[in-house]
Amino acid sequence: GAVVSQHPSRVICKSGTSVKIECRSLDFQATTMFWYRQFPKQSLMLMATSNEGSKATYEQGVEKDKFLINHASLTLSTLTVTSAHPEDSSFYICSARASGLGTDTQYFGPGTRLTVL
Amino acid sequence: GQQLNQSPQSMFIQEGEDVSMNCTSSSIFNTWLWYKQDPGEGPVLLIALYKAGELTSNGRLTAQFGITRKDSFLNISASIPSDVGIYFCAGLYFGNEKLTFGTGTRLTIIP
Repeated sequence: GAVVSQHPSRVICKSGTSVKIECRSLDFQATTMFWYRQFPKQSLMLMATSNEGSKATYEQGVEKDKFLINHASLTLSTLTVTSAHPEDSSFYICSARASGLGTDTQYFGPGTRLTVL
Repeated sequence: GQQLNQSPQSMFIQEGEDVSMNCTSSSIFNTWLWYKQDPGEGPVLLIALYKAGELTSNGRLTAQFGITRKDSFLNISASIPSDVGIYFCAGLYFGNEKLTFGTGTRLTIIP
């Protein structure tokens, strides 16, 4: 299947700093990527939809100025958590949409564990 | 947001047993996807279903797209230790690129 990578896999930062997470589709082009957040023992919660060459669409309750998304190419989307605070600690997962004739699938990255001290 | 009803919520089985889980929705979907998530990892796609009534296998896994388009089933035969994890169903509807996720089924194998 298609491969999606994320970097870094885990990051620990001090409160007030910004953290950038990269999501790459390695063997296919993705005009649409998605960013999710997952709390322990819960399902994935969609934060935003990232479209190549245009502004991201954020879900209700997600602060766009805090979670900056850039989808500069067909294989790369980045999520920057600005001025991170301990409550931003979570597991962040991206996915990339692969669609063809009659098919539509999302492939997920391995996730990034963010810990804010 | 909306979530699909997935059951059972958790399963405790012995190695070698067969497993069945299902996902139901109040609305129809055009695509059903089944993922498995291991601790600390992202979900991995197991099976994708694109047609009502479709039955698709991937090794010991078999999934079906319900004929009403409002449900899907996943079966695992002869479970092994590496089957442990959380299984999520997800639905897609034409014109809506966002996945709707199930609540997950946690599979545990009792020694």
